[in-house]
Amino acid sequence: EEQLVQSGAAVRKPGESLNISCEASGYSFPNYWIAWVRQMPGKGLEWVAMIYPADSDAKYSPSFQGQVTISADKSTSTAFLQWSTLKASDTAIYYCARHIEGYWYFDLWGRGTLVTVSS
Amino acid sequence: SYVLTQPPSVSVAPGKTAKITCGGDKIETKAVHWYQQKAGQAPVVVLYHDGVRPSGIPERFSGSNSGDTATLTINRVEVGDEADFYCQVWDSTSDHWMFGGGTKLTVL
Repeated sequence: EEQLVQSGAAVRKPGESLNISCEASGYSFPNYWIAWVRQMPGKGLEWVAMIYPADSDAKYSPSFQGQVTISADKSTSTAFLQWSTLKASDTAIYYCARHIEGYWYFDLWGRGTLVTVSS
Repeated sequence: SYVLTQPPSVSVAPGKTAKITCGGDKIETKAVHWYQQKAGQAPVVVLYHDGVRPSGIPERFSGSNSGDTATLTINRVEVGDEADFYCQVWDSTSDHWMFGGGTKLTVL
């Protein structure tokens, strides 16, 4: 079964760092782009970034460029989203999703990771 | 950047037809994809490439794309269809992926 399993909820203080993960199984991880999508409380979906695990080519939304870092580890079939300095406004659910190249949509989603940043 | 505009809410009675629109400049030149997000759950794609249904999505879901508007149509709406719906495109000019603001479908 193809699936994306995300790391559990995280609570941090402003200024702290965080790394959340998305482990893929059931398909060839290196050959599909993986994206991160943010959903702030009560709000809509926003594309954050995506990475091609085979060569670590990455794309970022201008709104998130410089704010987060996306990475991937082919040996563990895991994608990551990292913050070095969290802000309260980073509080949201973050979903990872598999991208279908040539069709330009996301066909497989993780269940989401709730990130809470509060002092 | 490319902007997608959706109505915040649509209400429909069970058994009737719901239409959810997604507006964008010359959106007919882009492939539009639709996601359903039920409360507390991750999004699920219900249509891709304007109107192709993934396996497991009922035939009641269909789509069209013309001019500046793409439309998701749900026939014979059921209570279980109640959810937020999002349209999404890939903007080739910027190489960015864009979502509409979402439409809350309420089944009265």
